[in-house]
Amino acid sequence: DTAVSQTPKYLVTQMGNDKSIKCEQNLGHDTMYWYKQDSKKFLKIMFSYNNKELIINETVPNRFSPKSPDKAHLNLHINSLELGDSAVYFCASSQGYRVDEAFFGQGTRLTVV
Amino acid sequence: GQQVMQIPQYQHVQEGEDFTTYCNSSTTLSNIQWYKQRPGGHPVFLIQLVKSGEVKKQKRLTFQFGEAKKNSSLHITATQTTDVGTYFCLSGNTPLVFGKGTRLSVIA
Repeated sequence: DTAVSQTPKYLVTQMGNDKSIKCEQNLGHDTMYWYKQDSKKFLKIMFSYNNKELIINETVPNRFSPKSPDKAHLNLHINSLELGDSAVYFCASSQGYRVDEAFFGQGTRLTVV
Repeated sequence: GQQVMQIPQYQHVQEGEDFTTYCNSSTTLSNIQWYKQRPGGHPVFLIQLVKSGEVKKQKRLTFQFGEAKKNSSLHITATQTTDVGTYFCLSGNTPLVFGKGTRLSVIA
């Protein structure tokens, strides 16, 4: 069983489109995250949810909106996609916030053309 | 804001040589974690350090947390081709900040 699963794995879309990435964890963790990894491999946190409550919202354009319908899911919706949004997006989860190892999904490679 | 500086950015070694990556924070860290990302893969947790001066070992990997809890290092003894990848440190403070990573390549 995959602990943290993201779909889709690859996403190619045109500028201006709206897209969603889904994430689910079956570890029973309380905290979930979205990270963006750019072409230089820098990992930057975007959002963090603890028990469905938003606890981190870094400097991310408001075109990005996370949604957590329950503790096991944290989806990422992106409006009006731009070329600069092209990156790999990782979902992760951990039992506690800041103090426990994070388990990462396989990543979603988003390419905006 | 909080920054975590990680050096070097790249390291090329011959198989069998040692490798070290360093992370330095501008603020005291509550804890620090280390992750490894293989090419094309996702970050995988290696270890967490919490106590001042802590040293932990995992086979050929040695992790250290500085006395002031502002710096940390990961040392690999006698690298192997399986060690190839990017090593990241992660600050446990808020917000969670990754170092920029050290990309290790090992020449057989």
